[in-house]
Amino acid sequence: QQQVKQSPQSLIVQKGGISIINCAYENTAFDYFPWYQQFPGKGPALLIAIRPDVSEKKEGRFTISFNKSAKQFSLHIMDSQPGDSATYFCAASKKTGANNLFFGTGTRLTVIP
Amino acid sequence: DAGVIQSPRHEVTEMGQEVTLRCKPISGHDYLFWYRQTMMRGLELLIYFNNNVPIDDSGMPEDRFSAKMPNASFSTLKIQPSEPRDSAVYFCASTRREGSYEQYFGPGTRLTVT
Repeated sequence: QQQVKQSPQSLIVQKGGISIINCAYENTAFDYFPWYQQFPGKGPALLIAIRPDVSEKKEGRFTISFNKSAKQFSLHIMDSQPGDSATYFCAASKKTGANNLFFGTGTRLTVIP
Repeated sequence: DAGVIQSPRHEVTEMGQEVTLRCKPISGHDYLFWYRQTMMRGLELLIYFNNNVPIDDSGMPEDRFSAKMPNASFSTLKIQPSEPRDSAVYFCASTRREGSYEQYFGPGTRLTVT
């Protein structure tokens, strides 16, 4: 079953607007929550990541909000730009074992000028 | 650094044929992962290696799929015989060491089985 649930499947935002993508998980063993960005024809690339000991992490226009009690985390893209148009994947990884990531199903973001 | 290298970038084959996908991880990375991406199922982990040893192959769909890593700089994913439902983009990713978490993905191989 899907260990990380992601929504929405697709998102259209006006340039300058805020894009919000949400993810939820059940496994409390997860301790690392990255977001990957994928452009057409390319492999996913790490965008930003958070650990559960903080509730928010910001890098430029990208912010992860993390709610440990609700087992939810979200990506906010401020001042969205057409160049942000891509597919975004949330993911989670466990404390023990190797680095295998459990990915959400992805959100296709389109930012219109 | 050249990043993760995959070949071929595109592969079109007929049902029943053998397909071999290739991956060269980033030098010095200890872990190598194979993923499959489809519209319906998203990114699925197929198998991963640590220091060339397969650790978890529970994501491999069936016996038609096999993966090897004969040395630290090369891995293959083989499908034999291929079926139309295997059509997908296959990604290879590598990471440096346990706990580093960030995975570096290759450009992928788009496989079409007719």
